[in-house]
Amino acid sequence: DIVLTQSPDSLTVSLGERATINCKSSQSLLYRSNNKNYLGWYQQKPGQPPKLLIYWASTRDSGVPDRFSGSGSGTDFTLTISSLQAEDVAVYYCQQYWRSPLTFGGGTRVDI
Amino acid sequence: EVQLVESGGDSVQAGDSLRLTCAASGLAFSRNVMAWVRQAPGRGLEWVACISGTGDTTYYADSVKGRFTISREMSTNTLYLQMNSLRDEDSAVYYCAKEDPRVTYSACNTVFDAWGKGTLVAVSS
Repeated sequence: DIVLTQSPDSLTVSLGERATINCKSSQSLLYRSNNKNYLGWYQQKPGQPPKLLIYWASTRDSGVPDRFSGSGSGTDFTLTISSLQAEDVAVYYCQQYWRSPLTFGGGTRVDI
Repeated sequence: EVQLVESGGDSVQAGDSLRLTCAASGLAFSRNVMAWVRQAPGRGLEWVACISGTGDTTYYADSVKGRFTISREMSTNTLYLQMNSLRDEDSAVYYCAKEDPRVTYSACNTVFDAWGKGTLVAVSS
């Protein structure tokens, strides 16, 4: 199984500051034939289900604010919140869909 | 708007069975890959099972293979998860989730762009 390791486990960021979350995969998630990375990011607020933010490692889902951005390729990926807002307090998960079984990272809690 | 509503969660004893239901609306149910994802209290997300749009193909996590069965009923737009021989470690909130068809490239290899609110399964020994 592909293991996704997120870091840090938690971080505290001031309002308006940048938050950076890392996700490292045990195998490359890059398919060279189409140059796509099979990685997504989710946001989960307390008491709510996860919400898809990003797929193909860097494509924002519709309606996701542009302060959220994804980057990286191969085995190393990053989710960046450029200017943290109060409503961004949540746990963030990465998920790979390159190989079955689908696997998720352990999550990163973002607080203010 | 896609709506997924889970039900059927309960407190049961180890070894018992339970069937979860997910009522889907606002989507072309027969064309979408559907899945169950669970989250133990205070823990991360774990993919459990998924089923193809036609219902012909199913996939399971090793942790539930042979004990859980995913199925779907097209006439009522309903997804099911039959859970047998439940164990303590199956205790979790179970979410029903829909594939993102822009991303799915084979079988259940996808991300999920719609989720239900979840239903809680508590197993005690």
